[in-house]
Amino acid sequence: GAGVSQSPRYKVAKRGQDVALRCDPISGHVSLFWYQQALGQGPEFLTYFQNEAQLDKSGLPSDRFFAERPEGSVSTLKIQRTQQEDSAVYLCASSLRGGTAAPDSNQPQHFGDGTRLSIL
Amino acid sequence: QKEVEQDPGPLSVPEGAIVSLNCTYSNSAFQYFMWYRQYSRKGPELLMYTYSSGNKEDGRFTAQVDKSSKYISLFIRDSQPSDSATYLCAMPNTGFQKLVFGTGTRLLVSP
Repeated sequence: GAGVSQSPRYKVAKRGQDVALRCDPISGHVSLFWYQQALGQGPEFLTYFQNEAQLDKSGLPSDRFFAERPEGSVSTLKIQRTQQEDSAVYLCASSLRGGTAAPDSNQPQHFGDGTRLSIL
Repeated sequence: QKEVEQDPGPLSVPEGAIVSLNCTYSNSAFQYFMWYRQYSRKGPELLMYTYSSGNKEDGRFTAQVDKSSKYISLFIRDSQPSDSATYLCAMPNTGFQKLVFGTGTRLLVSP
């Protein structure tokens, strides 16, 4: 498809388990962003990649959260030893050029439909 | 206090009404101002964006920015049931490496 694809769409895990969430950005998009959206809240920034380089991880809540994009395309967000407060929708976005989230006509941020994570 | 504040609603209006959605922000360095629409169980989609102060119109939608008051608005004319969604305001941070979102306002347009 032409859009950002995320998998799985839904994930249920028991507290303490590790989970991995996948993002397939639009082909050729340089920038990739991960956001966390809690129920009833707006998305909150987690981390940003330009190609394979993770340039900003300031939004990751703890060292249990880890993201990678080894070949500059597909990205994985991993959460270790999950806690109930990790329950949220995890959104991935990509844009054509690097270094900016500015929405000029050449490079708006395109969002996937997210992975809904529930920790029991 | 959050950098971007938005009334969560819900805002319920009849079909055909004019809708006004608003956000306030605290960071005077913000230059771009965006509105995203998010349907239930979907990702946000960019609706409109403006740069600096002023108005921008696109069909039934008008975005307005008042930088002196740190206040932005989205107006929807002739609202339709298909406009029922959550509307998120967002601004890129100074380095343009992330978006700072408001809480989102849930809009319900009844036929």
